[in-house]
Amino acid sequence: QKEVEQDPGPLSVPEGAIVSLNCTYSNSAFQYFMWYRQYSRKGPELLMYTYSSGNKEDGRFTAQVDKSSKYISLFIRDSQPSDSATYLCACHSGGGADGLTFGKGTHLIIQP
Amino acid sequence: GAVVSQHPSRVICKSGTSVKIECRSLDFQATTMFWYRQFPKQSLMLMATSNEGSKATYEQGVEKDKFLINHASLTLSTLTVTSAHPEDSSFYICSASPMAGEKLFFGSGTQLSVL
Repeated sequence: QKEVEQDPGPLSVPEGAIVSLNCTYSNSAFQYFMWYRQYSRKGPELLMYTYSSGNKEDGRFTAQVDKSSKYISLFIRDSQPSDSATYLCACHSGGGADGLTFGKGTHLIIQP
Repeated sequence: GAVVSQHPSRVICKSGTSVKIECRSLDFQATTMFWYRQFPKQSLMLMATSNEGSKATYEQGVEKDKFLINHASLTLSTLTVTSAHPEDSSFYICSASPMAGEKLFFGSGTQLSVL
């Protein structure tokens, strides 16, 4: 079993819909949780950064972490075609950026 | 967020030649930088961890002599693909973290095509 599981998709939704992206993890030592957005042939861009359980909101994006169930989510409200990209979740146990574990990434398509 | 610059963005080379890719942290110092490889529609695969002033740490299965890493300063790491072959064609991405924190910032990537 991989440490971080993520459905690769593709996930296709109409413009304006609420998007829910999810990951599960198995390592209970993970304390830091991140979401990256990657456009085709570009480097990943850090979208959200969360420590421990709880919610964090930034504009149309909300990151949610439930450590009890080892489940992390990214919600995108009022989705736009420009949100079409691959979204990668990443987990870390702390003490430095080495050891960052990525999910496979979910390919998201927002239909105009 | 912090800025990581990577060059070149794209390189095409003949089989047997060597290619150097540069990764710079523009507004912070990075004692550690990371090199990833990504195949189409696949996730990031960590190749090696580059440590300033010391030898890089390579992941299992990554050839040290094939992928030479130099981290001579706190803002620059280079990856040299030696004697490149078509199977080395891939998207290479570097990343770095300010103050050894958990946030990792990525370069824009280098698409290597070996003919």
